[in-house]
Amino acid sequence: NAGVTQTPKFQVLKTGQSMTLQCAQDMNHNSMYWYRQDPGMGLRLIYYSASEGTTDKGEVPNGYNVSRLNKREFSLRLESAAPSQTSVYFCASSGFVGRGSNQPQHFGDGTRLSIL
Amino acid sequence: AQKVTQAQTEISVVEKEDVTLDCVYETRDTTYYLFWYKQPPSGELVFLIRRNSFDEQNEISGRYSWNFQKSTSSFNFTITASQVVDSAVYFCALSASKGGATNKLIFGTGTLLAVQP
Repeated sequence: NAGVTQTPKFQVLKTGQSMTLQCAQDMNHNSMYWYRQDPGMGLRLIYYSASEGTTDKGEVPNGYNVSRLNKREFSLRLESAAPSQTSVYFCASSGFVGRGSNQPQHFGDGTRLSIL
Repeated sequence: AQKVTQAQTEISVVEKEDVTLDCVYETRDTTYYLFWYKQPPSGELVFLIRRNSFDEQNEISGRYSWNFQKSTSSFNFTITASQVVDSAVYFCALSASKGGATNKLIFGTGTLLAVQP
């Protein structure tokens, strides 16, 4: 059972470089999310996609872009990496959402990103 | 505004002790969901429990139990007879449902639980 798969697991970038974090889920979930985790701050939502074809900003979207490629895949792009974007990035997905039935989010194992 | 507060940054206990992790939330929505996740040292996030705002029954699962009290906006988590394997960061999270909106999670800052042998 793969669940949510993130690639890569580790990455070191130089300031100004760009890269894309990949995320794929095999649970047929409609909604997908990108979070970042920083020490002492918990997880904060960057972007989310309620369903295929839609994306919306979360709490900390600046410096990021996303693409919901299809129902399975949701990528996060850093166009010009900055040291402040050094963090652990988590992708998550969830099933049906609605009154009476917010399903839990299932998380990938995370990507540790360091920007020098 | 929605907010989750986990006032306990770190807790250290000795194995077999009981420990309670506190979670206080704020929301103006009448329908909402509360979650607990565990993050062991290996780094992954493991879903533990979901509770909706209409269900105030406490829940027990093995050594884990959860106490949901709307009157105090709290959703506390108790581990009975703690074990070294319980050592992890525990996150409380809140999601509000607005008739079909996606369930964005608001996380607390987490509580690091260290269980000493």
